[in-house]
Amino acid sequence: GAVVSQHPSRVICKSGTSVKIECRSLDFQATTMFWYRQFPKKSLMLMATSNEGSKATYEQGVEKDKFLINHASLTLSTLTVTSAHPEDSSFYICSAVGQGIDTQYFGPGTRLTVL
Amino acid sequence: GQQVMQIPQYQHVQEGEDFTTYCNSSTTLSNIQWYKQRPGGHPVFLIQLVKSGEVKKQKRLTFQFGEAKKNSSLHITATQTTDVGTYFCAGPRVGANNLFFGTGTRLTVIP
Repeated sequence: GAVVSQHPSRVICKSGTSVKIECRSLDFQATTMFWYRQFPKKSLMLMATSNEGSKATYEQGVEKDKFLINHASLTLSTLTVTSAHPEDSSFYICSAVGQGIDTQYFGPGTRLTVL
Repeated sequence: GQQVMQIPQYQHVQEGEDFTTYCNSSTTLSNIQWYKQRPGGHPVFLIQLVKSGEVKKQKRLTFQFGEAKKNSSLHITATQTTDVGTYFCAGPRVGANNLFFGTGTRLTVIP
């Protein structure tokens, strides 16, 4: 099956620093990648849709200058949380879709803790 | 706006009992997908239903898509401790190429 990796799996940082999270599709080309945020015991909240070679589409209420998304290749998308604050602490999950495929394959997630 | 609600929100069952979660969409869906997320893990794709009234089975799991393509259900027969987790349904977001996830049902199986 399709495999999506995320790095790092866990990160703790100080308030005000920036954190970059990588999402990679390991055995397929991901035409589209999605970034979600999940609070404890809650559902997945879509943050943005990222298409290779174009600007990400952000959901309403998600600050694009705070959550920078880059999808430079068909196997890699990055999410950078800039000037992180404690309220940015969350579980961030990416997913990827290949061309002609409906199913989203999820990465293992990144747990961000901002002190 | 588009909503996908699941009931119940939580379910505790004794091992061996059956379990059902229901998914209701505010809009007609072209397809519906089900995912399972284990505690501390990430969502894992289980199945996709496309046709009106479709029923699919995976061992002890039975998935059904409603005739109106606005609701779906997941039934687990004789639950096991390995079934523990949160089950999400998801449907295509209207006018976009992404998914709208349901609120999820958290299943606890008591040994």
